[in-house]
Amino acid sequence: SSELTQDPAVSVALGQTVRITCQGDSLRSYYASWYQQKPGQAPVLVIYGKNNRPSGIPDRFSGSSSGNTASLTITGAQAEDEADYYCNSRDSSGNHLEVFGTGTKVTVL
Amino acid sequence: QLQLQESGPGLVKPSETLSLTCTVSGGSISSSSYYWGWIRQPPGKGLEWIGSIYYSGSTYYNPSLKSRVTISVDTSKNQFSLKLSSVTAADTAVYYCARSNAAYDILTGRSAYYFDYWGQGTLVTVSS
Repeated sequence: SSELTQDPAVSVALGQTVRITCQGDSLRSYYASWYQQKPGQAPVLVIYGKNNRPSGIPDRFSGSSSGNTASLTITGAQAEDEADYYCNSRDSSGNHLEVFGTGTKVTVL
Repeated sequence: QLQLQESGPGLVKPSETLSLTCTVSGGSISSSSYYWGWIRQPPGKGLEWIGSIYYSGSTYYNPSLKSRVTISVDTSKNQFSLKLSSVTAADTAVYYCARSNAAYDILTGRSAYYFDYWGQGTLVTVSS
């Protein structure tokens, strides 16, 4: 099955921009979705498809994709954006299998 | 507003079967637009997809768990369930149920599959 690889941790100064990447072969076929997870809480969908935000997600969150890499960008990071972020996509086998990325811990300084 | 709620024992003995149910409210589990999934997260670790089910009963499982997993649906109760057999301490995790949605981009011909609604999660500990 496919794997999705993310950097374990990144940090960003308050108000600055941070990009989180997700790499995997399945991303050549499917868009990634992105989830924010704060301690003790369920994941929350923040980006899906080419660059779609669910209702209630701030527009400082955006997504992009190129080749086998998907990116989540937080433009003007806020203290409340400190969390774990996971990417997710369908497995490239075409067998309706799902895979999650390894996760990135974002620290806002 | 769609809501999902997991329920089931919080403690399971090694070698026994873990059983959880997800109750869906505010929407129908029989909608042809969605799949319904189980995802778990061991303490301090990342998310792992367990499997998904369609209202018709079609199922898809993580190959690493397939031999031990059964997911079923009860449309009359608007619920779907997870059974994981022969559990060990490695199965200790927070278990989430979620709705799986899809979007298709006409311009690029690519699809996106995503979990847009999640339950709050339930911790299941495997211990004697």
